[in-house]
Amino acid sequence: GAVVSQHPSRVICKSGTSVKIECRSLDFQATTMFWYRQFPKQSLMLMATSNEGSKATYEQGVEKDKFLINHASLTLSTLTVTSAHPEDSSFYICSAGLAGAHEQFFGPGTRLTVL
Amino acid sequence: AQSVTQPDIHITVSEGASLELRCNYSYGATPYLFWYVQSPGQGLQLLLKYFSGDTLVQGIKGFEAEFKRSQSSFNLRKPSVHWSDAAEYFCAVDGRGGGNKLTFGTGTQLKVEL
Repeated sequence: GAVVSQHPSRVICKSGTSVKIECRSLDFQATTMFWYRQFPKQSLMLMATSNEGSKATYEQGVEKDKFLINHASLTLSTLTVTSAHPEDSSFYICSAGLAGAHEQFFGPGTRLTVL
Repeated sequence: AQSVTQPDIHITVSEGASLELRCNYSYGATPYLFWYVQSPGQGLQLLLKYFSGDTLVQGIKGFEAEFKRSQSSFNLRKPSVHWSDAAEYFCAVDGRGGGNKLTFGTGTQLKVEL
């Protein structure tokens, strides 16, 4: 149980375009979803926390207008990278949490390359 | 400031040797503690976690970790390493501040020599 999927697993786009990444909890309802980015050889940095039906809470330094997060249902959250630039190239990982469980279940990640 | 430290960036061990990966945290109260493993290009897999109770925690793949309050540490151990254990290992902490937010250490890259 507690499986989280991400789609796509890899995406290559041109500079200036927008890219949407989906995160789904497949066998449970996630009250909270988290979005992380990971640069090569580095740790995971939390970008934002989203709760179903409410606005995402962004970490300091993360541009909310550039990284749009939608959490429309208890099983789906999306991250849209708007007007992507090469510096946005990274590995984006989502996770989903159960209320009161104090544990996050991680998706397999999405490799974004912006040309 | 709250932080998680993994002092060893890289560790190389021979297959069959024992392993210990260090993790220290700095939080006001005892946090929830986790160890994750990440293979190249993959997501994170939970190895084990500590919330309360017995300070020696058993996990998957033969891993264990010991919580030591006096040292603010949660070191990961394995008695005999297998070549397939080569990966990146992350210690993570939930500071119990609400919201289940995790703070990750910088990671330790484990290389296993055959």
